[in-house]
This record gives sequence, structure tokens and C-alpha cells, in this order.
Amino acid sequence: QVKLQQSGAELVKPGASVKLSCKTSGYTFSTSYMSWFKQIPGQSIEWIGMIYAGDGGTGYNQKFKGKATLTVDTSSSTAYMDLSSLTTEDSAVYFCARSYYYSSSAFAYWGQGTLVTVSS
Amino acid sequence: DIQMTQSPASLSASLEEIVTITCKASQGIDDYLSWYQQKPGKSPQLLIYDATSLADGVPSRFSGSRSGTQYSLKISRPQVDDSGIYYCLQSYSTPLTFGSGTKLEIK
Repeated sequence: QVKLQQSGAELVKPGASVKLSCKTSGYTFSTSYMSWFKQIPGQSIEWIGMIYAGDGGTGYNQKFKGKATLTVDTSSSTAYMDLSSLTTEDSAVYFCARSYYYSSSAFAYWGQGTLVTVSS
Repeated sequence: DIQMTQSPASLSASLEEIVTITCKASQGIDDYLSWYQQKPGKSPQLLIYDATSLADGVPSRFSGSRSGTQYSLKISRPQVDDSGIYYCLQSYSTPLTFGSGTKLEIK
């Protein structure tokens, strides 16, 4: 079955960068899209952007351009998200998610989330 | 960006009630609307896709509908395990946008 396993929690200092991973299994990674989301605890969810693993093509929420960079490694079926110039406003849980087999517009497969805490 | 106005922000219901949560889109979204349940510390779980289709494994007490640009999630005879936060998501255009969430408590 489809599995998305995200990397562990991160504690990072303001101004630093962090790279999150989302290792997948159970489907053909190289012909699929992966989306990333941000959720500040107690708040709703924001879409950061998506990447097509076949050619690395990306689409970003304008709000996260310059903040997030999405990449993939098809040899390991892993998606990555780099977050740069971190501030306390970047402290959140970040999810990767893949669309549903029956509808490309819905997300049925989610990672467990990675908590990023930005603190000095 | 398309705004999704979700209501109510919270509600408490009994096991015998019918629960309805709504999301109104700021423009037409052609039924590119999905509903999710999220429990504390967990990832969102897909309930409804394409506005009215039930995702695999989701109990039939959950249903989705549309009237104009207003989308609704209905839970008939909810169970205690249905407590959680519910979100709608529009995927008609980027950036994808979620509703603000509805916190549901089943007594």
C-alpha cells in the first residue's frame, strides 16, 4: 500500500535552513505529483506547492516562493523540501501528501508530519 | 486566491443528530472540493472527494453535497469517534486553499 514516511522533528535556529524528507513506497513515484503543506498548531492548513517527480517540475504558492524549495530523488523515491532563512513564523508541522488514485484533486495519502521548531 | 468560508467554527452534537458543516467558495470551483477529518497530532484523513464521492473505507454516514458555490458535509447519526476537526479544500485553482476548520464534538 501507499506509504509516505517523513523525517523526524527539527529544532533549528533563526536564519538557518532545514531540509525535510518524505520517503515513499507502494506506488510509482516517478510518475506522480507530491504536494507539501504547512500547519501551525491550532490553525488551518496551507498548501506550499507541488512537484512532479517525472521531471522535477514545480508549482508554488506565491506566499512560499523563496521560502520553500521542492526537489525529488527518483532513485530513492523520496521527496524533499528545503526551508530557508527560517523565522519563528516557520515553526509548524509540515506534511507531504499524494493525490488519491480516483481523483487527482484530493489527497488520500499523507505523511505523518514533521514538526519544525525555530528557536534560538 | 479562492477563499473558502467554513462554518461553524465549532459545534457539539449528540449521537442522534445530523451534523452539517458548510464551505462557501468565493467563486465557482467546479466541484473540485474535498473534505478531511483531522484528529490531534495526526494527518488529515480524506472523507469526500469531488464534492460528493465517498473515499474508500469511509463510513456511509458521511456524505457531501453542493448548492451553488456552497458545499456541505453531512454526518448522519455521528459516532463518538467522529469528533475532530474538519476541513474543506478547494483544488480548482492554485494556490489550493482550505477552509478555516470546524471543531466537532460528539457527546
